[in-house]
Amino acid sequence: ILNVEQSPQSLHVQEGDSTNFTCSFPSSNFYALHWYRWETAKSPEALFVMTLNGDEKKKGRISATLNTKEGYSYLYIKGSQPEDSATYLCASRNRDDKIIFGKGTRLHILP
Amino acid sequence: DADVTQTPRNRITKTGKRIMLECSQTKGHDRMYWYRQDPGLGLRLIYYSFDVKDINKGEISDGYSVSRQAQAKFSLSLESAIPNQTALYFCATCNSYNEQFFGPGTRLTVL
Repeated sequence: ILNVEQSPQSLHVQEGDSTNFTCSFPSSNFYALHWYRWETAKSPEALFVMTLNGDEKKKGRISATLNTKEGYSYLYIKGSQPEDSATYLCASRNRDDKIIFGKGTRLHILP
Repeated sequence: DADVTQTPRNRITKTGKRIMLECSQTKGHDRMYWYRQDPGLGLRLIYYSFDVKDINKGEISDGYSVSRQAQAKFSLSLESAIPNQTALYFCATCNSYNEQFFGPGTRLTVL
């Protein structure tokens, strides 16, 4: 069983500040790392899928990096806005197509 | 129009009752998944399917069964519901880029 850990569990950030958080996963049998954005009362929405060591993906003010050798991924948000408030989930998929989710980082943007 | 739909959206039932949760998708994806979400825990995989009549156990399949009789539908059954199956249940599909698309969720309460 894969163990996916996310930190911090919760984070408060002032509007306009930049922030980042971490997802760590076992690097053996790794296939892909997923990031999702999950707003309250809605469904998780896919942000990024990364597979190769050194991958970097960007969507607007949000970007992510992947290190498969050491088993971690960072999600960065530049210039936080109120609409960024959500839970950010990461999930690791292995070569047997098993997917394990982390517990998420709950981001609160303070006005 | 929602691409992944779940019915019912909310259900309250009693211990010992049989419950079926339905998931339908119009995305044409072969891969479909059922997850449950509990407070303080991440999404946990119950069952998944790669194609019609293909069934695979996930992390927490005990007490559940699934059926995949058509590409567009993946149903989850609780043969005899128990209180610790009270949770938020999500269905998801997956495309060829390994992006998952989640349904709106079904909130199930077992009394």
